[in-house]
Amino acid sequence: DTGVSQDPRHKITKRGQNVTFRCDPISEHNRLYWYRQTLGQGPEFLTYFQNEAQLEKSRLLSDRFSAERPKGSFSTLEIQRTEQGDSAMYLCASSHRGDTDTQYFGPGTRLTVL
Amino acid sequence: AQKITQTQPGMFVQEKEAVTLDCTYDTSDPSYGLFWYKQPSSGEMIFLIYQGSYDQQNATEGRYSLNFQKARKSANLVISASQLGDSAMYFCAMRANFGNEKLTFGTGTRLTIIP
Repeated sequence: DTGVSQDPRHKITKRGQNVTFRCDPISEHNRLYWYRQTLGQGPEFLTYFQNEAQLEKSRLLSDRFSAERPKGSFSTLEIQRTEQGDSAMYLCASSHRGDTDTQYFGPGTRLTVL
Repeated sequence: AQKITQTQPGMFVQEKEAVTLDCTYDTSDPSYGLFWYKQPSSGEMIFLIYQGSYDQQNATEGRYSLNFQKARKSANLVISASQLGDSAMYFCAMRANFGNEKLTFGTGTRLTIIP
């Protein structure tokens, strides 16, 4: 039983560059979530998918951010024209609609924008 | 809107002692779930325990138990017989059960177990 995986684990980029992160959920999970965590804070919700449909987006998700889950399996999160304020840990989680709908997290992608 | 408050930024506990991590919440949703996650220095969020708002009994998972007091809107995590491997950040989170699927997290408590 494999857990949620994320790639890459670390990304260093220069301001203004585009970056893309990938998340592979637990195979039988139909819900997928993206969160952002900055130093000293708890994770903050960005967006979530049920199958391939993006059902909710946070106001934190500016126009420079876009997320997709084209076939209802893996998801990508792209940040265009990165800014230093985008430096954070990006966490992906997945869940299966059920009694508790518990979200299981991946190891995260740590983004550093220079 | 939902809000989670964790008032203990850091705690130091002697190995083998029990520890209680505080969590209070605020919500207008009639049905919700409360979660605790552990985040070691590696960064991964590890699910520990869940409590539903209508559950009559407090949740337990091995050495973890959740002291749920609905009237006080508190959901404290109790770790019995603490181990060195318990040193980590601990986050309390909640989610409404209908229509709003996101988790709302507190700011966390850093627990350090002293040998």
